[in-house]
Amino acid sequence: KQEVTQIPAALSVPEGENLVLNCSFTDSAIYNLQWFRQDPGKGLTSLLLIQSSQREQTSGRLNASLDKSSGRSTLYIAASQPGDSATYLCAVGEYGNKLVFGAGTILRVKS
Amino acid sequence: NAGVTQTPKFQVLKTGQSMTLQCAQDMNHEYMSWYRQDPGMGLRLIHYSVGAGITDQGEVPNGYNVSRSTTEDFPLRLLSAAPSQTSVYFCASSYSPLGGGRTDTQYFGPGTRLTVL
Repeated sequence: KQEVTQIPAALSVPEGENLVLNCSFTDSAIYNLQWFRQDPGKGLTSLLLIQSSQREQTSGRLNASLDKSSGRSTLYIAASQPGDSATYLCAVGEYGNKLVFGAGTILRVKS
Repeated sequence: NAGVTQTPKFQVLKTGQSMTLQCAQDMNHEYMSWYRQDPGMGLRLIHYSVGAGITDQGEVPNGYNVSRSTTEDFPLRLLSAAPSQTSVYFCASSYSPLGGGRTDTQYFGPGTRLTVL
């Protein structure tokens, strides 16, 4: 059974810092990996989707990498801003478009 | 496009009551799914559908029922509510060809916060 772990569980950084969120998974037979953002009391917003054949994806200040063989992904946020404060969720996509989620990293960026 | 919509936003039930959580999407997506989110845990898949008339169980299907009569709608029914079903429920959809192994970006609704007393 696939298990997804996110480290750290919570992170507090001053504005402007570059930061890395980590995600690990136990079964490398995945179709893709997605990073989502969730604001308090809201739904999930997809940030980046990496197909299993890809190594990384970039969108603005966000860069996500995928290493299937080691079962790891990282989300890099450059020049963090208070508006980046949210919970970040990692999910691996299995056959049938099923997602297995980690518990998330709660990020607080202080101004 | 309204995207994925869910109703109601909040609901309080008594143990043993039944209810239906509504989910609709206007993006002509074949794939729809229901997840629940509990504190300190990731989202867990309840049921999913790869197209009208086709549904299957996810990781935590017990106590829930689904049907998919149209492409747009995917309601989730709680048959006899229990306190363990207190959670936030999210509906999601994506474009995914029937029988295909590829996966696509999933779009989530705003959630329904359910409390069972």
